[in-house]
Amino acid sequence: DVKVTQSSRYLVKRTGEKVFLECVQDMDHENMFWYRQDPGLGLRLIYFSYDVKMKEKGDIPEGYSVSREKKERFSLILESASTNQTSMYLCASRSFTRGDNEQFFGPGTRLTVL
Amino acid sequence: AQRVTQPEKLLSVFKGAPVELKCNYSYSGSPELFWYVQYSRQRLQLLLRHISRESIKGFTADLNKGETSFHLKKPFAQEEDSAMYYCAFGGSNYQLIWGAGTKLIIKP
Repeated sequence: DVKVTQSSRYLVKRTGEKVFLECVQDMDHENMFWYRQDPGLGLRLIYFSYDVKMKEKGDIPEGYSVSREKKERFSLILESASTNQTSMYLCASRSFTRGDNEQFFGPGTRLTVL
Repeated sequence: AQRVTQPEKLLSVFKGAPVELKCNYSYSGSPELFWYVQYSRQRLQLLLRHISRESIKGFTADLNKGETSFHLKKPFAQEEDSAMYYCAFGGSNYQLIWGAGTKLIIKP
């Protein structure tokens, strides 16, 4: 059973703070993803990673960066948090070797920036 | 451009009534289509995919390439079906393209 975990369920930060969101998966998946989930907008891809130390920008990368130093861990960094980054953040992973596009999700981190 | 459209943001039906959640896609190739569901306070999870052609929790979805649709259907809605539903398709670059989601409310 695939497990994707995220470091926090709820997080409250102040404008200008540097924020780290961590995601860990235990199924040796090559691909990992970070999404924002906002009402009426669905899931928007922030960044994804094909494999260790590889990263690609998604649809809304501005204001974010990522790090993938180990295969199981994918971190999302908000360099200087702003109120418009208040959102639900979802991490997902996918097996490249399995050959299909199914993604497995973490429980999400609800970030509030004050 | 590759796109998934879920025209209804909110769908409210009575328990026992049929449910149809609409999904249309724009893609010239052979898509791999999914329905994901998110129950209250739970993680997003796969409900079904068109390749498997199976019925999960009474839901089915048929790929109609002529209409480029993948509507989700259930003949008799149950209260526990209340959730957020997302349609998505896998394109050529290992990403999923997501619809905006439909919130389904089943009234008692």
